[in-house]
Amino acid sequence: DIQLTQSPSSLSASVGLRVIITCRASQGISNYLAWYQQKPGKVPELLIYAASTLQSGVPSRFSGSGSGTDFTLTISSLQPEDVATYYCQKYNSVPLTFGGGTKVEIK
Amino acid sequence: QLQLQESGPGLVKPSETLSLTCTISGGSISSSSYYFWGWIRQPPGKGLEWIGNIYYSGRTSYNPSLRSRVTISVDTSKNHFSLKLSSVTAADTAVYYCARSTYYDLWSGYLPEGGWFDPWGQGTLVTVSS
Repeated sequence: DIQLTQSPSSLSASVGLRVIITCRASQGISNYLAWYQQKPGKVPELLIYAASTLQSGVPSRFSGSGSGTDFTLTISSLQPEDVATYYCQKYNSVPLTFGGGTKVEIK
Repeated sequence: QLQLQESGPGLVKPSETLSLTCTISGGSISSSSYYFWGWIRQPPGKGLEWIGNIYYSGRTSYNPSLRSRVTISVDTSKNHFSLKLSSVTAADTAVYYCARSTYYDLWSGYLPEGGWFDPWGQGTLVTVSS
């Protein structure tokens, strides 16, 4: 099975700073990658699919890039409401797999 | 607006079968040929694990790690789909989510096992304990 490894597992950054989260696949998955945001106690919400397509209604400070094995989720200017755990998910083949998550906090 | 809602027992005894239903409102399972319907779970304090997907026709796709214990079915007349997980243990304690998964997208084409998940239900905590 293809594994997804997210890094870092957690980070703390100041409001307004740029945050970059990485998701690495153990084998190439083309652009079959999605990103989710899960705020504390809430349901995961889709941010990005096809590695870089922003889901409707998601703020433009979120962006995704990458293809093959290396992907990034960027928050261009961290806001207090972005405190959450972020997950990547691959869907090129079964099993559909999620990364371990990256917890983002405000410094 | 499409909404999904999980329902079922919150407590299941070890070795028994966990049964959940996901009811869809604001849309029809049988008219949504571009989507799968899926189950995902999240143990307390841990990450997300995909359980399986079902198409409105009844075609299923399961996580190999759970395949021997999982059955997902669909009832288009009731506009819901269901999950059964047999021989449960404490390790199956989790919040169980149902969600819609993309099967066809204009830019991505066909995703034969399912794609990204959106929207999700609110989730239901199932505890396995005697």
